[in-house]
Amino acid sequence: GAVVSQHPSRVICKSGTSVKIECRSLDFQATTMFWYRQFPKQSLMLMATSNEGSKATYEQGVEKDKFLINHASLTLSTLTVTSAHPEDSSFYICSARGTADTEAFFGQGTRLTVV
Amino acid sequence: GQNIDQPTEMTATEGAIVQINCTYQTSGFNGLFWYQQHAGEAPTFLSYNVLDGLEEKGRFSSFLSRSKGYSYLLLKELQMKDSASYLCAPMDSNYQLIWGAGTKLIIKP
Repeated sequence: GAVVSQHPSRVICKSGTSVKIECRSLDFQATTMFWYRQFPKQSLMLMATSNEGSKATYEQGVEKDKFLINHASLTLSTLTVTSAHPEDSSFYICSARGTADTEAFFGQGTRLTVV
Repeated sequence: GQNIDQPTEMTATEGAIVQINCTYQTSGFNGLFWYQQHAGEAPTFLSYNVLDGLEEKGRFSSFLSRSKGYSYLLLKELQMKDSASYLCAPMDSNYQLIWGAGTKLIIKP
């Protein structure tokens, strides 16, 4: 299957700082990328959907000024958690899709801990 | 509304067969995915059904009935490494995956 690379896999940051997470599709062009958050023992929660070259569409309840998403190319999307707080500690996962009716390939996920 | 219903947890024995059922309600339908997720890891793709019937892929098979809003994942010859959560994810009319909480499968020796 196609490869999606997500970095970093783990990050610990201080409260009030910002953290950037990268998601790259290595061998296909990702017209759409999705960002999810998953708390322990809970389902994946979609945060936002981004199409290359367009502004991201955020799900209800997700603060777009806090979770900045950039999808400037067909192979790279970034999620920046600004002014992180301990409650933002979670597992963040990206997925990328080439065309609308194909499977989404997932990155390895990023474990964010805000102290 | 959109809804996914799967058992929360199932237990099976190594070498046996287990069927994980999923019923769903979505706004439109563009196929259904099954993913496997080990604890602390991202989901990995198992199968995709868009037409009614059974799709077989090695030890794993997936079945879909669109009229009933029903799918199942069948795992044969269970191995200890199959202990994971299994996520049923239908795709709605906007081609967005709808996620449930998944089924935690515990394999015992």
